[in-house]
Amino acid sequence: DAKTTQPPSMDCAEGRAANLPCNHSTISGNEYVYWYRQIHSQGPQYIIHGLKNNETNEMASLIITEDRKSSTLILPHATLRDTAVYYCIDVTYGQNFVFGPGTRLSVLP
Amino acid sequence: NAGVTQTPKFRVLKTGQSMTLLCAQDMNHEYMYWYRQDPGMGLRLIHYSVGEGTTAKGEVPDGYNVSRLKKQNFLLGLESAAPSQTSVYFCASSYPAGGGNEQFFGPGTRLTVL
Repeated sequence: DAKTTQPPSMDCAEGRAANLPCNHSTISGNEYVYWYRQIHSQGPQYIIHGLKNNETNEMASLIITEDRKSSTLILPHATLRDTAVYYCIDVTYGQNFVFGPGTRLSVLP
Repeated sequence: NAGVTQTPKFRVLKTGQSMTLLCAQDMNHEYMYWYRQDPGMGLRLIHYSVGEGTTAKGEVPDGYNVSRLKKQNFLLGLESAAPSQTSVYFCASSYPAGGGNEQFFGPGTRLTVL
């Protein structure tokens, strides 16, 4: 079973920031936080990952709380093409990924 | 680079038939994985490999076999297909799992067993 919990669905207006939460209640000190997304049954696509610090790349920002029990993926200016299922995963070196059901994000025009 | 490719993209089988799904990667990754995804659910790990010549069971291995004879290829076999194996199958590859190493996914194979 997945170790993370996410809301099943969220809506976001096009052009606004999408903030997707994830709870990592059992995360350990050496586990990374990964975010992936899956657009319309395509293969999952890597978005971003982090260990302790906040991270930003060309796709998104990742905010990790100080106690690491929760994280937020931020898509700063959501577009219709960001409509997808978003997965957050805790994983340590050498450990396999466990995907939960994720959050279905709908970006509305 | 082609990344991760999967063959075939679609397949329809009758119950009891066998088939092999091929996954190939050109990134020189050590780890490779086979997942299945049923409607409305997340991906579940079937089998994985941490290197050429090695394989291991994942979360849902029953009814499947795998082989990793070459580093770049990972084969998933169904010896006697069942309707419960109707699913979308994804292959992925990575350097050693986790620890900052992302998994790269193929486009998927949609399998229907009648």
